[in-house]
Amino acid sequence: GPKVLQIPSHQIIDMGQMVTLNCDPVSNHLYFYWYKQILGQQMEFLVNFYNGKVMEKSKLFKDQFSVERPDGSYFTLKIQPTALEDSAVYFCASSLTYTGQLYFGEGSKLTVL
Amino acid sequence: GEQVEQLPSILRVQEGSSASINCSYEDSASNYFPWYKQEPGENPKLIIDIRSNMERKQIQELIVLLDKKAKRFSLHITDTQPGDSAMYFCAASTQGTGSKLSFGKGAKLTVSP
Repeated sequence: GPKVLQIPSHQIIDMGQMVTLNCDPVSNHLYFYWYKQILGQQMEFLVNFYNGKVMEKSKLFKDQFSVERPDGSYFTLKIQPTALEDSAVYFCASSLTYTGQLYFGEGSKLTVL
Repeated sequence: GEQVEQLPSILRVQEGSSASINCSYEDSASNYFPWYKQEPGENPKLIIDIRSNMERKQIQELIVLLDKKAKRFSLHITDTQPGDSAMYFCAASTQGTGSKLSFGKGAKLTVSP
């Protein structure tokens, strides 16, 4: 079936550094999402993105977070600077339409030391 | 935002028996209820979903029930197999699929041969 690819699968960085998580969504999908999952807890919505703009974001989407998809390339989540509480698995997802099925990537595990 | 409670968190059954996972939600405007299966190290995959205009939906061995008055929905897996062992997450959305899914904390199902 359709696949969402995420790079890297795992990244370890020091607190205060910048990190960029990359997502290659399903090729013809138009809506993109990031969800955060802390170990042992549920996934929580961070942000969704359409037509080059953030549509909605949750309170978890701090000022240090940003998303973009320059020229149809990777959909990225950037955290600058990182904090200890940013350690989590970040799942990217995409859908063809606003009400279409969500397809999730395999997650990027971020460890902030 | 929407809060979704999920119980039980751990479920162990014998192969061939049924397994049931229950979820409740708070926002009466929620109208879409997907269920995701997540195996270790993999992405969550949609296995079945139900919208608020239905009370019951079945796909093969998966049955979902929705009680809008009680704001509860449930997943029933009949004739479980060891391959059904995984984490199962319920979710709810007030805007159809995609945007701002609120997830339950997950249920770890183990099916013993």
